[in-house]
Amino acid sequence: DGGITQSPKYLFRKEGQNVTLSCEQNLNHDAMYWYRQDPGQGLRLIYYSQIVNDFQKGDIAEGYSVSREKKESFPLTVTSAQKNPTAFYLCASSRGGGNQPQHFGDGTRLSIL
Amino acid sequence: DQQVKQNSPSLSVQEGRISILNCDYTNSMFDYFLWYKKYPAEGPTFLISISSIKDKNEDGRFTVFLNKSAKHLSLHIVPSQPGDSAVYFCAVPRTGNQFYFGTGTSLTVIP
Repeated sequence: DGGITQSPKYLFRKEGQNVTLSCEQNLNHDAMYWYRQDPGQGLRLIYYSQIVNDFQKGDIAEGYSVSREKKESFPLTVTSAQKNPTAFYLCASSRGGGNQPQHFGDGTRLSIL
Repeated sequence: DQQVKQNSPSLSVQEGRISILNCDYTNSMFDYFLWYKKYPAEGPTFLISISSIKDKNEDGRFTVFLNKSAKHLSLHIVPSQPGDSAVYFCAVPRTGNQFYFGTGTSLTVIP
């Protein structure tokens, strides 16, 4: 079954620590995305990657970093510079080209201890 | 600056009745619109889309209507079923195959 796998489902972080969220897809999609969802808000774009070894900042990239070394994988690191990291994080992928629906993973909920 | 607005955070409907979810957008250049459905603790799943060259697209119980002059789209679910209870997001494309997402409307279908 093709899809997007995010792990872990729940993650706890101590203040001052970096933490990495995993995202893997086997849909053979070129593009991958990271979003953050907070209560009462829509999905806000953190980073996106249209192709391997290339990625761009989204609307709220500060305090986050990504890498795209493989087509299947797009991990997100929440650094200690992110002052309000508690949120629900969603990874998505899509085919290249315009107007392609994005397919989402089931998300990771990050909480600060 | 919100490009896409869903002004109703929640909606309750009796089973069998029609559910109407609304979405307003700001940019008349948008040419493609999508609806996503999201259950708790899961990622959104693509539901239905419409191109700006159409004013209606239907898929089973789900129909999306587009009113370009009013910059408004709506999702109709008929008949509504308890399994339709979820959060619904509208989305419009931006550059680079990215999307603006609305804040979502939580639909509850009462048996």
